[in-house]
Amino acid sequence: GENVEQHPSTLSVQEGDSAVIKCTYSDSASNYFPWYKQELGKGPQLIIDIRSNVGEKKDQRIAVTLNKTAKHFSLHITETQPEDSAVYFCAASIDTGRRALTFGSGTRLQVQP
Amino acid sequence: ETGVTQTPRHLVMGMTNKKSLKCEQHLGHNAMYWYKQSAKKPLELMFVYNFKEQTENNSVPSRFSPECPNSSHLFLHLHTLQPEDSALYLCASSQDPWTRETQYFGPGTRLLVL
Repeated sequence: GENVEQHPSTLSVQEGDSAVIKCTYSDSASNYFPWYKQELGKGPQLIIDIRSNVGEKKDQRIAVTLNKTAKHFSLHITETQPEDSAVYFCAASIDTGRRALTFGSGTRLQVQP
Repeated sequence: ETGVTQTPRHLVMGMTNKKSLKCEQHLGHNAMYWYKQSAKKPLELMFVYNFKEQTENNSVPSRFSPECPNSSHLFLHLHTLQPEDSALYLCASSQDPWTRETQYFGPGTRLLVL
């Protein structure tokens, strides 16, 4: 089955700096890669996703890049703010058929004011 | 919020107790999921329901018993749990599990087994 590895497990940045979280996946058939943000006391919330027919997607300060050849994808947050502090999860799946999401182990991002 | 609610938010139970977790989605979705979230581990998918039918059980011990009476409600019945079952239990829903649709998560039930 699919295996998703996520690094780093913790990340501390200064407000205004950029943050990058990286994930690798094992199943070359995976073609859907969402990122979730989980704030304290809440469930994960989708913040951005990418499908394998594109290499990059942006939404304001958030971007995701995908390298299918290397089987890795990354989350980029620019101009970080204290409210970006949370745990971020990557996931991978095949977007059709009976494949549910396989999640990475999470990255705790701390943005220092 | 996401339109997925879970009750209770916190639960403490002994190993001999029987309790149930409840999830309700107000999004008109047809698929619902139970996940277990333990410290420093990836989210673990437990059960998948599509149109009220269980379509996936990821080798979950029988002390966890799911129930899906309709597409909007999902229960997780707990009995004779172990301390290692202490975790955050998350419910999620999606339009259906066969396509690209996003999963929407509830806030979770924090379970402590003594």
